[in-house]
Amino acid sequence: EVQLVESGGGLVQPGGSLRLSCVVSGFTFSSYWMSWVRQAPGKGLEWVARIKKDGSEKYYVDSVKGRFTISRDNANNSLYLQMNSLRAEDTAVYYCARARPSSSDYWGQGTLVTVSS
Amino acid sequence: DIQLTQSPSFLSASVGDRLTITCRASQGISSYLAWYQQKPGKAPKLLIYAASTLQDGVPSRFSGSGSGTEFTLTISSLQPEDFATYYCQQLNSYPLTFGGGAKVEI
Repeated sequence: EVQLVESGGGLVQPGGSLRLSCVVSGFTFSSYWMSWVRQAPGKGLEWVARIKKDGSEKYYVDSVKGRFTISRDNANNSLYLQMNSLRAEDTAVYYCARARPSSSDYWGQGTLVTVSS
Repeated sequence: DIQLTQSPSFLSASVGDRLTITCRASQGISSYLAWYQQKPGKAPKLLIYAASTLQDGVPSRFSGSGSGTEFTLTISSLQPEDFATYYCQQLNSYPLTFGGGAKVEI
């Protein structure tokens, strides 16, 4: 059974940092691209970042470029999102998802990040 | 960036109705389009990928069509468990983008 479990969310002050983790099981992690997608409270979905199987290519939405870094540890079946210089508008549930060429086919349950003083 | 416009953004429907949601892209995206269903407090669930391919385990009442800039998601006979919000996503070019969503309510 494919499983993705996010952790690391919480309350952080504006300007602060947070590192999200996503541990996967049930598939060969190193064979898939992976994505982070977020959803602000009461809003729609927003794609955040994507990383190639071996970590050699990374892509970001403009609003997080230079502040967020996606990375992975294939030995430990883990995906990460390092978030720096956090802003109120980064408040959202963050989902990790397995990426395919034409979709994201498996998603975690999400972890809530709240940026507030 | 490629913008995706979903219509309608909200619709009221009844069990048994045939329902169609449209997703229009601001430029051509070939067939790099996916449809997701999301219920409150839950993660999105993939329904359709590559514009028209049904994901394993998804009921056959769901179907997708289109290519280029215009796409549709059709539910042939709405069931109680289908009341949810539906999103399209383009995966043709970065940044990947989602439509604004279409909420289906009774």
